[in-house]
Amino acid sequence: SQTIHQWPATLVQPVGSPLSLECTVEGTSNPNLYWYRQAAGRGLQLLFYSVGIGQISSEVPQNLSASRPQDRQFILSSKKLLLSDSGFYLCAWSSGLNTEAFFGQGTRLTVV
Amino acid sequence: AQTVTQSQPEMSVQEAETVTLSCTYDTSESNYYLFWYKQPPSRQMILVIRQEAYKQQNATENRFSVNFQKAAKSFSLKISDSQLGDTAMYFCAFMNRDDKIIFGKGTRLHILP
Repeated sequence: SQTIHQWPATLVQPVGSPLSLECTVEGTSNPNLYWYRQAAGRGLQLLFYSVGIGQISSEVPQNLSASRPQDRQFILSSKKLLLSDSGFYLCAWSSGLNTEAFFGQGTRLTVV
Repeated sequence: AQTVTQSQPEMSVQEAETVTLSCTYDTSESNYYLFWYKQPPSRQMILVIRQEAYKQQNATENRFSVNFQKAAKSFSLKISDSQLGDTAMYFCAFMNRDDKIIFGKGTRLHILP
């Protein structure tokens, strides 16, 4: 069966520090991968999605970047965190073919 | 741009009652997929129900059903015989032909004992 791993679960980082959140999927190949951010009490904002290695779509211009170094690995990064980067970050995958997305457990990021 | 709108930020209903959550979307595509997700206090995202746009029949999953009106671009979720465990944030989502998935801002549903 397919599983998705996202870590860390919680992260407190100072303003100006770098960020690296990692997400990996097991049990499938060539998944679509997604990064979302959920601000407190609000909806899911699509940040990046990737339909294959080397193919990453950026949905919101901001202080973040994403990379897909391997087929089932998706990394969210920042060189210098801002206070506004605080939130709950969710990684998700889908098999394409217009199937639903399956989500990781999320990372609660607090920038202080 | 494709958008998903949930006009009810918060709702409360008594246990065992029926509740309907609204969702509208905007797209120029003719074939797409729609979903309702549930996010309980644990924050884990759980798929509730899905609907293919080319299917006229409304999807149902036990106590959950949808009213899909393609011409009106409306996709509401009905929860029958609501239970305390249904208390959660509910998100409507749209998937386009490029597998991009967009979510609405959510409706926070409280089931009252």
